[in-house]
Amino acid sequence: QTVVTQEPSFSVSPGGTVTLTCGLSSGSVSTSYYPSWYQQTPGQAPRTLIYSTNARSSGVPDRFSGSIFGNKAALTITGAQADDESDYYCVLYMVSGIWVFGGGTKLTVL
Amino acid sequence: EVQLLESGGDLVQPGGSLRLSCAASGFTFSSHALSWVRQAPGKGLECVSVISTSAGSAYYADSVKGRFTISRDNSKNTLYLQMNSLRAEDTAVYYCANLQYGFWGQGTLVTVSS
Repeated sequence: QTVVTQEPSFSVSPGGTVTLTCGLSSGSVSTSYYPSWYQQTPGQAPRTLIYSTNARSSGVPDRFSGSIFGNKAALTITGAQADDESDYYCVLYMVSGIWVFGGGTKLTVL
Repeated sequence: EVQLLESGGDLVQPGGSLRLSCAASGFTFSSHALSWVRQAPGKGLECVSVISTSAGSAYYADSVKGRFTISRDNSKNTLYLQMNSLRAEDTAVYYCANLQYGFWGQGTLVTVSS
């Protein structure tokens, strides 16, 4: 079974830039996996940041960007702010027809 | 404005059944594949099922295969999830979503406990 991998945790300074990644236990991520990124704070539904690799969801500031970086999908946050401190999840579309989420990255801004 | 509104979550005993519904508006429902995604307390997200636009194809995570059935009624703009043989580990908030474009509902809580 394919596993989607994410960094368990990451830290960034206010105003700094951070890149979170989303990989596969076997193989490389490409645009064919339609990688998407979600931000979630406790008790809230996930908020869509990026879909289909690099399309920004409505209302999402351009500080958030998506890309393919090497063999992984990547979410880059520039000019990190205190309220960016959240859990971030990626999801990939598999040829089996199901979407598989990564385990999530807990981002700390300090 | 795209809206997805889940309903049907409840407290149910182990071995019981429950049917979730998701009413959609603000987009062409019949043109989008849809999914059910769940999140157990304190855990990450898991896509449990996907259904194609015409309901001709359905996909399930191994954790629910044989117990859950996804369906849709394009005339009513509604997505369903029939959950049978429920287990304690099915306790979660269940969201309906279009994961290709990132539409999500607010979720409905299913608690499986005696």
